Amino acid sequence: DAGVTQSPTHLIKTRGQQVTLRCSPKSGHDTVSWYQQALGQGPQFIFQYYEEEERQRGNFPDRFSGHQFPNYSSELNVNALWLGDSALYLCASSFRTGTSGTDTQYFGPGTRLTVL
Amino acid sequence: RKEVEQDPGPFNVPEGATVAFNCTYSNSASQSFFWYRQDCRKEPKLLMSVYSSGNEDGRFTAQLNRASQYISLLIRDSKLSDSATYLCVVNIVNSGYSTLTFGKGTMLLVSP
Repeated sequence: DAGVTQSPTHLIKTRGQQVTLRCSPKSGHDTVSWYQQALGQGPQFIFQYYEEEERQRGNFPDRFSGHQFPNYSSELNVNALWLGDSALYLCASSFRTGTSGTDTQYFGPGTRLTVL
Repeated sequence: RKEVEQDPGPFNVPEGATVAFNCTYSNSASQSFFWYRQDCRKEPKLLMSVYSSGNEDGRFTAQLNRASQYISLLIRDSKLSDSATYLCVVNIVNSGYSTLTFGKGTMLLVSP
């Protein structure tokens, strides 16, 4: 049973460019959350997708957008990249149990984005 | 005030030592609590959930005090393999959707 997978593993972009990161959730999971982890910091919540819709969003600008597909996989898009967007981008998948939220979130290996 | 605050690190301890990590959270609506472990340049992995009654998993003991909004993790008989960053995490459920909020993490270095 494959865990959470992400692609690419590393990416180098220049300021102003756009980037798309991809995530495939663990089998049986229906919810995908994205996090940004800057060097020396804990992961920071970007947004969460369930049933192909954004359900929760953290304190990130509209330059950060996403999508979830019918097979539960997800993409994170970042437009107009800044130097400060350099970070490890983590995807976590989970199963939504109902009004009490989701069960344990499992993280993928991350995509390390460097903006020059 | 940060939503989740942890002891600043790193903690340098010899093998066999007992080490304690402390964490406080500010949102009283937080519903569940966890410790995650993150190795260098790897993803966070769930170490253990934290319950009000306290829970133990081998050498690891976690405690939660909801009144004080305080969480702790105790590691006994430290091993070299325990060297990692330990992340305190709280889960808030809003409209039926869970959001995890992480502390900055405390790095543990166990030396021979």
